[in-house]
Amino acid sequence: ETGVTQTPRHLVMGMTNKKSLKCEQHLGHNAMYWYKQSAKKPLELMFVYNFKEQTENNSVPSRFSPECPNSSHLFLHLHTLQPEDSALYLCASRLGLAGDTDTQYFGPGTRLTVL
Amino acid sequence: GQQLNQSPQSMFIQEGEDVSMNCTSSSIFNTWLWYKQDPGEGPVLLIALYKAGELTSNGRLTAQFGITRKDSFLNISASIPSDVGIYFCAGHPGNQFYFGTGTSLTVIP
Repeated sequence: ETGVTQTPRHLVMGMTNKKSLKCEQHLGHNAMYWYKQSAKKPLELMFVYNFKEQTENNSVPSRFSPECPNSSHLFLHLHTLQPEDSALYLCASRLGLAGDTDTQYFGPGTRLTVL
Repeated sequence: GQQLNQSPQSMFIQEGEDVSMNCTSSSIFNTWLWYKQDPGEGPVLLIALYKAGELTSNGRLTAQFGITRKDSFLNISASIPSDVGIYFCAGHPGNQFYFGTGTSLTVIP
């Protein structure tokens, strides 16, 4: 497999459930991102990891908990979500070396529906 | 966070027509990116621009990095039905990326 993969592609969960989203990149990148995409809104950055360390938490509620065990894998653990959390969750990766001439590559996303 | 102003919000065009969309920012960016997103999929990178004034092509797509470093445009020539989707601009001055609100393109056969 190549590029950035995300599983599952679709997830329906109740407000009391606990679930996890997984992202894996096969590009040898060092930076990984979680974004939330809601209808008719710009992409919202949630978390950034560089070399497995979290470098950005964009005021995300604690019911979203990221985990980055290594540079190739990124998880988003979900618990006690609200219906307004329903959205497309996108993972992205970037080479992440000094300078800003490298670009970001996205996975296909997980379509999350909270009932 | 910063938001990029992207226009137009939506376009309906006949197959074969050319398309133009642009993106402006209140801040200077060092990189401008253009992505296309199909329904239910993640954004796919189309063109990356790294220098002010740079003009880059990718097939029927052409994008330019504005001289002021605060804007960029994307042109699509001779549109075809598979060009349908949402086009996003993005820029980044460092580790964080900022995205436009998207231009939804519909191509009528």
